[in-house]
Amino acid sequence: DQQVKQNSPSLSVQEGRISILNCDYTNSMFDYFLWYKKYPAEGPTFLISISSIKDKNEDGRFTVFLNKSAKHLSLHIVPSQPGDSAVYFCAAPEGDDKIIFGKGTRLHILP
Amino acid sequence: DVKVTQSSRYLVKRTGEKVFLECVQDMDHENMFWYRQDPGLGLRLIYFSYDVKMKEKGDIPEGYSVSREKKERFSLILESASTNQTSMYLCASSSASGLSSYEQYFGPGTRLTVT
Repeated sequence: DQQVKQNSPSLSVQEGRISILNCDYTNSMFDYFLWYKKYPAEGPTFLISISSIKDKNEDGRFTVFLNKSAKHLSLHIVPSQPGDSAVYFCAAPEGDDKIIFGKGTRLHILP
Repeated sequence: DVKVTQSSRYLVKRTGEKVFLECVQDMDHENMFWYRQDPGLGLRLIYFSYDVKMKEKGDIPEGYSVSREKKERFSLILESASTNQTSMYLCASSSASGLSSYEQYFGPGTRLTVT
């Protein structure tokens, strides 16, 4: 059973508009969440994280929102740029060292 | 600049061959990981290691083994390659301390095709 779910395999957004990528989780013990970005033929790179003691974390154009009661987090990208076209993975740590990844959402930024 | 390198970007092997995928990190990280990425399945953990000579099974260890003889190097071994092991293989490393252990650094990946 998936503990971290990204239900949208892909998303298309016009350049300059807001991109919203969603992630749901089932394990209420998760207390930290991460987003990774992956370009084709490259490894994922860490993008932004949020601790469960916060409900929002912002870094430039990227903001992650956490709704603990709904077990839901979202990544907002404003404004969306062509270089944002990539696969985005939501992730949560399990135990001390492992992290569990969602299946990813492919974001297409349209010109 | 932190770096995780993988020995090959592309590899083609025949069914039944023994395959070695090498990963080296230069960040003095304690933890190292091997994942495979397949369309629609995301990143799945094969094995990980939190210290030299230590290894732990991930979610899909069947058909794989690993070796960690030195802190900076983590090898993934396919004892007898099969076509269902055709995939993108990603190595990652992380520090063992606190929240840093959750931020993994990935190599560029090895696209393995088994024919």
